[in-house]
Amino acid sequence: GDSVTQMEGPVTLSEEAFLTINCTYTATGYPSLFWYVQYPGEGLQLLLKATKADDKGSNKGFEATYRKETTSFHLEKGSVQVSDSAVYFCAHPNNNDMRFGAGTRLTVKP
Amino acid sequence: DAGVTQSPTHLIKTRGQQVTLRCSPKSGHDTVSWYQQALGQGPQFIFQYYEEEERQRGNFPDRFSGHQFPNYSSELNVNALLLGDSALYLCASSLGYGGALDTQYFGPGTRLTVL
Repeated sequence: GDSVTQMEGPVTLSEEAFLTINCTYTATGYPSLFWYVQYPGEGLQLLLKATKADDKGSNKGFEATYRKETTSFHLEKGSVQVSDSAVYFCAHPNNNDMRFGAGTRLTVKP
Repeated sequence: DAGVTQSPTHLIKTRGQQVTLRCSPKSGHDTVSWYQQALGQGPQFIFQYYEEEERQRGNFPDRFSGHQFPNYSSELNVNALLLGDSALYLCASSLGYGGALDTQYFGPGTRLTVL
């Protein structure tokens, strides 16, 4: 069945380091792909999305490119900040609901 | 403009009890979805309500039930609580059944602990 697989965390980086969080998916067809972020004590927020192959989603310095050939949607940021510390979820739609990965916890240290 | 609100914030129950969680959708939204997020896991879809009816359901037992009111707010009920029901319960609202899921807004969740 449809699923989303994320790299296991936690990930700990120093401020200004480069971030990559891997995400691969299995699905029927080529669904839209999403990254959500969950800050401590808050609900999920949509971070970025891509709706078709080779699309690049971007927001707040984060980027992810929809790679059909590798069924991947890796999240990247060139220089992380302490305020980026959160849990990141890769997701894709499944009928009328969202199918989420297990999440990757990122901690950025000053 | 208030976003999605949920109540209560935290809740502690014992095994076998029943619980009701509440959600008010973002203004203008008419569809409410509920998710269960176990510790260290991603959210799992429970069900979705539109026009006061359950439209879609995930892989959850009948102990999980819900309701949507004419003002679009919603309740999640869980009967005969088990320890494994301990989780963060997230409510998400959107506009229209089958609408674009990137317009789905999530609430902060209710943390349920079952002892």
